[in-house]
Amino acid sequence: DAGITQSPRHKVTETGTPVTLRCHQTENHRYMYWYRQDPGHGLRLIHYSYGVKDTDKGEVSDGYSVSRSKTEDFLLTLESATSSQTSVYFCAILAGASDTQYFGPGTRLTVL
Amino acid sequence: TQLLEQSPQFLSIQEGENLTVYCNSSSVFSSLQWYRQEPGEGPVLLVTVVTGGEVKKLKRLTFQFGDARKDSSLHITAAQPGDTGLYLCAGEYAGKSTFGDGTTLTVKP
Repeated sequence: DAGITQSPRHKVTETGTPVTLRCHQTENHRYMYWYRQDPGHGLRLIHYSYGVKDTDKGEVSDGYSVSRSKTEDFLLTLESATSSQTSVYFCAILAGASDTQYFGPGTRLTVL
Repeated sequence: TQLLEQSPQFLSIQEGENLTVYCNSSSVFSSLQWYRQEPGEGPVLLVTVVTGGEVKKLKRLTFQFGDARKDSSLHITAAQPGDTGLYLCAGEYAGKSTFGDGTTLTVKP
């Protein structure tokens, strides 16, 4: 499983509240990613990081921010959650000779 | 923006049948991955293909990368109920991956 954990695994929150999701890895990988997955769809990239304090936007970054203050943790923050952000969020790291992404178990977020 | 189209979107077959799913793009990728995802879990890597024309076999699964590195196919021989799941392809370029929307496969006993 490439040593990736996500917390919390499930969260229910109300519109307008801030939410932070955590991704933790134990193998010192440089690249980390946050995706969202909606029913019947593949994964869409929100933000990614290529090192401590080095981050960049993905294709669906509006309404999300990220931080990476140490190699092992990549945080995703919804500053003011909206119902459209109800989704399953996956963290991934890049590893291997072929630069393959390996995924965490996911966080199911419901915004009421 | 690089796009990957997967077909078919849904596939329901009987145990023992063969099937092929496709992943197509107009863009060239450095590598392409196939993942299988079960409900409530993250995608699990099945294979990475890197070289144009490459064919990889994983038991009853055969993966092919197109000669131009723009497309790929996954063929399953004698499908089993345990093959049921969402199959995702992803093309990698410059450290970022683009995912297709997936093929949902159901294999009925």
